[in-house]
Amino acid sequence: QSALTQPASVSGSPGQSITISCTGTSSDVGGYNYVSWYQQHPGKAPKLMIYDVSNRPSGVSNRFSGSKSGNTASLTISGLQAEDEADYYCSSYTSSSTLVFGTGTKVTVL
Amino acid sequence: EVQLVESGGGLVQPGGSLRLSCAASGFIFSSYAMHWVRQATGKGLEWVSGIGTAGDTHYPGSVKGRFTLSRENAKNSLYLQMNSLRAGDTAVYYCARVRRGYFFDYWGQGTLVTVSS
Repeated sequence: QSALTQPASVSGSPGQSITISCTGTSSDVGGYNYVSWYQQHPGKAPKLMIYDVSNRPSGVSNRFSGSKSGNTASLTISGLQAEDEADYYCSSYTSSSTLVFGTGTKVTVL
Repeated sequence: EVQLVESGGGLVQPGGSLRLSCAASGFIFSSYAMHWVRQATGKGLEWVSGIGTAGDTHYPGSVKGRFTLSRENAKNSLYLQMNSLRAGDTAVYYCARVRRGYFFDYWGQGTLVTVSS
């Protein structure tokens, strides 16, 4: 199972919106609405930001939103803030009953 | 408060074995699937294994046949037996609680495994 493809880096200025893509296949992202997103600050454990493609857990800012089209899922961060600077990973359930993560995206706030 | 505390990491020689443990508290352990995820230094997340509430286990091809995941509900504990370790298994190993079989809602702080001679 190959890792899902994410851009290595995305940047934006405070207040702007950015979008991170996560591309898989019909056997993972495209086949199920079981996509989740995680935020990871340096030296810390990952934190769940989105599940079921577009649902936010309690406590996660509504500036974070998720969507999916075909084999590509996306995470959008609106009103970018300095605290959003982190690594972001997508994850999907697969047809082999396994899980796969994305390659990861480093978000930089300019 | 949900807490997951990993232990058992350390330095091991190639070909050796190590057993990781994850102590859970703050929730009904037996009602949740539990997984392990690892991260090599400076690299991305990699799913390592998962166990359902009925004890069913799942592994990626990279560790299948070498790693064995088990749980002891009476002790609120999760175990990962790692055999035939390779340099490529060097990473921080995270224990995570799983919901709906696929997303990780709580994570431990991780335990470092180093495979080196």
